[in-house]
Amino acid sequence: GNSVTQMEGPVTLSEEAFLTINCTYTATGYPSLFWYVQYPGEGLQLLLKATKADDKGSNKGFEATYRKETTSFHLEKGSVQVSDSAVYFCALAAGGTSYGKLTFGQGTILTVHP
Amino acid sequence: EAQVTQNPRYLITVTGKKLTVTCSQNMNHEYMSWYRQDPGLGLRQIYYSMNVEVTDKGDVPEGYKVSRKEKRNFPLILESPSPNQTSLYFCASSLVRGGGTGELFFGEGSRLTVL
Repeated sequence: GNSVTQMEGPVTLSEEAFLTINCTYTATGYPSLFWYVQYPGEGLQLLLKATKADDKGSNKGFEATYRKETTSFHLEKGSVQVSDSAVYFCALAAGGTSYGKLTFGQGTILTVHP
Repeated sequence: EAQVTQNPRYLITVTGKKLTVTCSQNMNHEYMSWYRQDPGLGLRQIYYSMNVEVTDKGDVPEGYKVSRKEKRNFPLILESPSPNQTSLYFCASSLVRGGGTGELFFGEGSRLTVL
């Protein structure tokens, strides 16, 4: 079956530090890949996505590249802010799926200190 | 405003007392789903629905029921809650046809405690 594995957390950084959160997946075919973010007390919201190999998703300074050869979709940001403190989830949708039946990773808690 | 609305947001109950968590979306989405979020386990799917009167089990359906009598509503029913159902629950929806991209829209969550 499909699965998503994220790096162990929590991650604690100082403001303006570089962020990487690793995500690898197992899936048949060619899944679509997503990063969702959950701010304290809120539901999840889509941060970025990529639907085919070598695509780069980007939003709010965050980026992730769909790497089929390493089955990875690592999240990066060059300079984090305190407001980026949240839980980040990597997720996949099975190939050919246009709707939201997603498989999620376990989430990574990010805390950014001033 | 496009949104997914869950109620109640917080609930404390006792073992065996039936409860329902409601979910409503105003985006005319065909697909709706319930997840539970537990520390270290991420989000696990409980049930999902592809359209009215079409529901199916997710990864952790035991102890839960759902119904989809109207397109906008997808209530989660715990017939006889137990302490291991203490969790944070999320309802989500998305398009299926006509432009669906896999993006799920989430409600704000319902924190349930079963004593």
